[in-house]
Amino acid sequence: DIQMTQSPSSLSASVGDRITITCRASQDISNSLAWFQQRPGKVPQLLIFAASTLQSGVPSRFSGSGSGTDFTLTISSLQPEDVATYYCQRFNGAPLTFGGGTKVGIK
Amino acid sequence: EMQLVESGGGLVQPGGSLRLSCAASGFTFSSYEMNWVRQAPGKGLEWLSYISSGADHIYYADSVKGRFTISRDNAKNSLYLQMNSLRGEDTAVYYCVGYNTNWEGGWGQGTLVTVSS
Repeated sequence: DIQMTQSPSSLSASVGDRITITCRASQDISNSLAWFQQRPGKVPQLLIFAASTLQSGVPSRFSGSGSGTDFTLTISSLQPEDVATYYCQRFNGAPLTFGGGTKVGIK
Repeated sequence: EMQLVESGGGLVQPGGSLRLSCAASGFTFSSYEMNWVRQAPGKGLEWLSYISSGADHIYYADSVKGRFTISRDNAKNSLYLQMNSLRGEDTAVYYCVGYNTNWEGGWGQGTLVTVSS
């Protein structure tokens, strides 16, 4: 089965900082990757699909890139409302594995 | 507006069974691929099962294969998860998740399943 590995598992940054989260697949998954944001106590929300396509309504400070086995989620200017755990997920073929999550906080 | 409402969670003894339901409204349910995802207390997201829009493709995570069964009734706009042989490690919030081919969709609010004697 394909494994999805996220790093780091947590990070803390200042408001306005640029942060990057990495997701690595154990096999080539082309661009079949989504990113979700889960704010504390809330339901996950889709941010990005097909590795780099921003979901409607998601702020443009979020971006995704990558293909094959290596993917990144970037927040260009961290805002207080971005405090959340971020998950990558492989789609388009089973198992639709999630990464372990990256908890983002504010310094 | 798309709505997914899960029901059927609760307290069950180890070895017991539960059937979760997800009622869909506000969108064309029959066009959506559906999933069940769970989240144990304080843990990450775990994908459990997928069913295609026409129910002709079904997949399961190894952790639930042979114990859980996903199904859907497009006429009733409903998704189901039959859970048998429940274990303590199945304790989690269970989410119904649906997206179409344009990635329009979302998650339900979840239903809590607690497996304990």
